[in-house]
Amino acid sequence: EAEVAQSPRYKITEKSQAVAFWCDPISGHATLYWYRQILGQGPELLVQFQDESVVDDSQLPKDRFSAERLKGVDSTLKIQPAELGDSAMYLCASSPQPGGVYEQYFGPGTRLTVT
Amino acid sequence: EDKVVQSPLSLVVHEGDTVTLNCSYEVTNFRSLLWYKQEKKAPTFLFMLTSSGIEKKSGRLSSILDKKELSSILNITATQTGDSAIYLCAVERGSQGNLIFGKGTKLSVKP
Repeated sequence: EAEVAQSPRYKITEKSQAVAFWCDPISGHATLYWYRQILGQGPELLVQFQDESVVDDSQLPKDRFSAERLKGVDSTLKIQPAELGDSAMYLCASSPQPGGVYEQYFGPGTRLTVT
Repeated sequence: EDKVVQSPLSLVVHEGDTVTLNCSYEVTNFRSLLWYKQEKKAPTFLFMLTSSGIEKKSGRLSSILDKKELSSILNITATQTGDSAIYLCAVERGSQGNLIFGKGTKLSVKP
């Protein structure tokens, strides 16, 4: 069964350093989402792509976070500089198209610890 | 501001018990409500509900949506230790399909 791939699975970094996460969605899925999940909370949407275009990044802290999906397939989420409050699970999800019919399939996540 | 509220936040039961988890929402441009199960990894999909009053079932799990009351319940009958997890409720809003999640209900099933 096809799965969403993410790497690394775990990342420890010092504050003020740069960190990057990678996601490869299920083949053929046009819509890709990045979520952040703080311990004890539900996932919170950071950015949504439709193919290579950003359709919603209203919750992305743009002063330090950036995301790209250059060829409309895999995606990278970057944080620079990392802050202590960025410690969380970063989840990537994909779906064939946005809204209404298809559920989102989640990857295993990247657990980030900022020290 | 859109929000999804789940209750209870945590629940401890014994094997064989039946549990009901609650989800209420205030979301503009509602499209659907989804339930996910999260163990120590990524959420896995359980149900998507779009129509009010229609129950969806999968084995011992079932869920129903009440669009008049802006709420949904997830029922688990004859609970097993393997049901121990965080159950997340999410509401899909707008044409873009992004989800707003509740905080989850942590279910612990004791042998």
